[in-house]
Amino acid sequence: KAGVTQTPRYLIKTRGQQVTLSCSPISGHRSVSWYQQTPGQGLQFLFEYFSETQRNKGNFPGRFSGRQFSNSRSEMNVSTLELGDSALYLCASSQGLARATADTQYFGPGTRLTVL
Amino acid sequence: AQSVSQHNHHVILSEAASLELGCNYSYGGTVNLFWYVQYPGQHLQLLLKYFSGDPLVKGIKGFEAEFIKSKFSFNLRKPSVQWSDTAEYFCAVVSGGYNKLIFGAGTRLAVHP
Repeated sequence: KAGVTQTPRYLIKTRGQQVTLSCSPISGHRSVSWYQQTPGQGLQFLFEYFSETQRNKGNFPGRFSGRQFSNSRSEMNVSTLELGDSALYLCASSQGLARATADTQYFGPGTRLTVL
Repeated sequence: AQSVSQHNHHVILSEAASLELGCNYSYGGTVNLFWYVQYPGQHLQLLLKYFSGDPLVKGIKGFEAEFIKSKFSFNLRKPSVQWSDTAEYFCAVVSGGYNKLIFGAGTRLAVHP
């Protein structure tokens, strides 16, 4: 099976702009989660989507949003970019099992966003 | 709030040395625990996971971890490291919410030939 793919791999934007990142999960996986990785804060959970619905959300401002399509592909949008949004954005997919049984998340290579 | 602590931020070892990386979590309920590895220039890969059952879990590449509930710990071990184990290692826990992984700060391991 092909792994999780993310596009684009690299992005350079300026403050105030908005950006959209894309994630294609492993075939058959219905859950997509997004994480932000920075040297200072480490890996932080942004949100998770399952069957086109946001099931879980981390502590990020409303400028960070996402959505999931019927084919399980997901997009993440960041509006009004700030310098501090520069990070590696990781997408992870999993089968989306019931709450009592934790899924195993498989990560993509990430999108490196630089905000100037 | 749940948290994960990794005690060592940087570890330097010689090849064939034994490795133990510490991980403690704060949540007292049912937890599911993971170790992920990030090799230089590569994406996060799953090393091993604990959901239930035998507290000694074996993963890929000779790694193992032991879940000790009374100590809230999930330490990663390898009896003999190789240069190719040079990477950053992350401990993570899922508790409560769907697929919300809480990561530790990571441990950078450098193995010298």
